[in-house]
Amino acid sequence: RKEVEQDPGPFNVPEGATVAFNCTYSNSASQSFFWYRQDCRKEPKLLMSVYSSGNEDGRFTAQLNRASQYISLLIRDSKLSDSATYLCVVNKYSGNTPLVFGKGTRLSVIA
Amino acid sequence: DAGVTQSPTHLIKTRGQQVTLRCSPKSGHDTVSWYQQALGQGPQFIFQYYEEEERQRGNFPDRFSGHQFPNYSSELNVNALLLGDSALYLCASSRAGVGEAFFGQGTRLTVV
Repeated sequence: RKEVEQDPGPFNVPEGATVAFNCTYSNSASQSFFWYRQDCRKEPKLLMSVYSSGNEDGRFTAQLNRASQYISLLIRDSKLSDSATYLCVVNKYSGNTPLVFGKGTRLSVIA
Repeated sequence: DAGVTQSPTHLIKTRGQQVTLRCSPKSGHDTVSWYQQALGQGPQFIFQYYEEEERQRGNFPDRFSGHQFPNYSSELNVNALLLGDSALYLCASSRAGVGEAFFGQGTRLTVV
């Protein structure tokens, strides 16, 4: 089983739609969780950290379910500029330890 | 405040050659991690440097080596290049004890 698994997509959605991405991780000892966004041929950029209580940043909401080892990202009112690959990322242990990336989920928002 | 910078941005090498990639971390960051990203895949961890020492290593052969300098900048060296080493090499900087990492723009290495 892969350490971090994501549906690769692509997800093709119209502008204004709500879209949700899911991710599962295998290491129950994982401590930190993130969503990164990666545009084509660019570096990953931190979108948001994911906290146990869930967190929201504008149109983006992230949820963590430790019992099910499951992370989600919800994007409301999709914009054309949201088109990118979304990477689910897990920090194996606490503090300064390697990030483990999923393969990413490709999102295309269509006018 | 400059972010993470990497050089060069693109590189073409021949099989069997050696390559050195460079990274300057974000101001205030003391830890540098290197990742390899093949096309269509997520980044894979190569190794991490802190206090000028390799602290952790992923599943990469000894052909991959690195160094960290007193100013926290880092180099990634790859010897005896293989076609399969063609990828985007990403440097990520962070502060010790803090999970969030910030990436440079990457070096796209093509081995022919």
